[in-house]
Amino acid sequence: ETGVTQSPTHLIKTRGQQVTLRCSSQSGHNTVSWYQQALGQGPQFIFQYYREEENGRGNFPPRFSGLQFPNYSSELNVNALELDDSALYLCASSPGTPELFFGSGTQLSVL
Amino acid sequence: GQNIDQPTEMTATEGAIVQINCTYQTSGFNGLFWYQQHAGEAPTFLSYNVLDGLEEKGRFSSFLSRSKGYSYLLLKELQMKDSASYLCAVPSGTYKYIFGTGTRLKVLA
Repeated sequence: ETGVTQSPTHLIKTRGQQVTLRCSSQSGHNTVSWYQQALGQGPQFIFQYYREEENGRGNFPPRFSGLQFPNYSSELNVNALELDDSALYLCASSPGTPELFFGSGTQLSVL
Repeated sequence: GQNIDQPTEMTATEGAIVQINCTYQTSGFNGLFWYQQHAGEAPTFLSYNVLDGLEEKGRFSSFLSRSKGYSYLLLKELQMKDSASYLCAVPSGTYKYIFGTGTRLKVLA
């Protein structure tokens, strides 16, 4: 148990729709990152939030956005969904140590 | 650039020993991680190497050579539950991690 929970577990959307994925971190984990993991690939960094501000971003378009809240929860929003957005989305938090604590992910399918 | 290479798949027999290799190229080095990921589940932390050498933790050991940009994960006394993907990852800068594609290990009875 990592203490990081994500919801929903699975989600099916159609192309062009918008989606919000949620993550709840452990108390004291003030850094949260989101990763996209396509089938058979390693996780790809989307962005990181620290104390409610984005402080790093990977090679993802602006339609991927996020929020972090004071209660250690966060959101990943994806607008104008594309078929290639189908993947496992992982939230990872950290108390400031190098180790990442991952949630079990949200499996998003875009049809 | 930054890159991590690891084999795509490996197969081994229950009770055997398997070594999963990882080579990396990064600008700056802040350690190397190994994570285990069962299908459809979250990656879970296995090891973190910062200094050269072998670190042993039960049936799992991890080795690092910074001069060679090389690491390996050694799994002893393989069990069926060890069938999973093993991800090699390095921190890049202060906020992101670069992951390899993962090595899918199949343990056969």
